[in-house]
Amino acid sequence: KQEVTQIPAALSVPEGENLVLNCSFTDSAIYNLQWFRQDPGKGLTSLLLIQSSQREQTSGRLNASLDKSSGRSTLYIAASQPGDSATYLCAVRKAVGQNFVFGPGTRLSVLP
Amino acid sequence: NAGVTQTPKFRILKIGQSMTLQCTQDMNHNYMYWYRQDPGMGLKLIYYSVGAGITDKGEVPNGYNVSRSTTEDFPLRLELAAPSQTSVYFCASRLSGDQPQHFGDGTRLSIL
Repeated sequence: KQEVTQIPAALSVPEGENLVLNCSFTDSAIYNLQWFRQDPGKGLTSLLLIQSSQREQTSGRLNASLDKSSGRSTLYIAASQPGDSATYLCAVRKAVGQNFVFGPGTRLSVLP
Repeated sequence: NAGVTQTPKFRILKIGQSMTLQCTQDMNHNYMYWYRQDPGMGLKLIYYSVGAGITDKGEVPNGYNVSRSTTEDFPLRLELAAPSQTSVYFCASRLSGDQPQHFGDGTRLSIL
């Protein structure tokens, strides 16, 4: 059974820092991996989707990498801003017809 | 473009009551999902649907029922509310296997 973990559970950084959020999964045979952002009281917003054949995806200040063999993905946020404060979740899917398995999330606080 | 719309946003039920959580999407997505999110946990899949008339159980289906009579709507029904069903419920949809999921803003449900 696929299990997804995210460490740390919470992170506080001063504004302007570059930071890395981690996602680990137990079964390396995945189809794709998706990173989400969740603001308090809101649903999830898709940030980046990485297919199993890809090593990374970039969108603005965000860069997500995927290392299937080690069962890891990282979300890199450059030049963090207070507006980046949110919970970040990763989710993996084993095959095209299967459903996502979610990690518990990392709660990020960027302090001004 | 409204995306995924969930109603109600908040609800308090008494033990044993029943209710239906509504979800509708206007993106003509084939796949729709119901998740629950408990504090500090990832999202757990309750039920999903790959198209009108087709539904299937997810990881935690007990105590819930769904129907998918149209492409747009995917209601979730609680027949006999129990305190363990206190949670935040999210509906999501996606077009096909390679596309990202889109989420509603959630329904916060308390069973007292």
